[in-house]
Amino acid sequence: EVVLTQSPGTLSLSPGEGATLSCRASQSVSSTYLAWYQQKPGQAPRLLIYGASSRATGIPDRFSGSGSGTDFTLTISRLEPEDFAVYYCQQYGTSPKTFGQGTKVEIK
Amino acid sequence: EVQLVESGGGLVKPGGSLRLSCAASGFSFSDYTLNWVRQAPGKGLEWVSSITSSSGYIYYTDSVKGRFTISRDNAKNSLYLQMNSLRAEDTAVYYCARVKAILAPVGAFDIWGQGTMVTVSS
Repeated sequence: EVVLTQSPGTLSLSPGEGATLSCRASQSVSSTYLAWYQQKPGQAPRLLIYGASSRATGIPDRFSGSGSGTDFTLTISRLEPEDFAVYYCQQYGTSPKTFGQGTKVEIK
Repeated sequence: EVQLVESGGGLVKPGGSLRLSCAASGFSFSDYTLNWVRQAPGKGLEWVSSITSSSGYIYYTDSVKGRFTISRDNAKNSLYLQMNSLRAEDTAVYYCARVKAILAPVGAFDIWGQGTMVTVSS
């Protein structure tokens, strides 16, 4: 099983600041099979990034993904009020299709 | 509108059974791999099971193998999860989710339902 470890657990930032979220895999993951999701309280997750760096339909370009092998990053260039949420990475290349434990981006 | 709508959740006693359903609309259901993902209260996301478009490949996370069965009826645009021998640790919101790419066995999950709550308690 591929274990994904996200850091930090919580990120306290102000609107307008940039955010860098990390996802580290216990073994190499093809970048083709790495995704990022955003989840707000009481809502289903929303796909942001797939294939490590491709934005999903309708996702603003302030969200970007990068990385390869065991280290992946989600960057939010300038936080908007609606971006404060929990973010999960996921590998979907092998079963079980594991998720990281999440990073909460909260308003400072 | 592309949509997934789950139903069938509720309160069940340990050892009991429940069948979840996921009704799809707005896309060609039979062309997509589908998944069940769950989220225990206050916890993160956990993938549960997946089934390919023609039910040729089915996978489960270890903790539900032998207890849960995923299935689909392409004629009814519906996905199912039969859950038997339920345990307290199965308590969670259960989401169905579609794989992004048509006819692909794996992919990111681009469409999610709103979830249905399953509570296992005596």
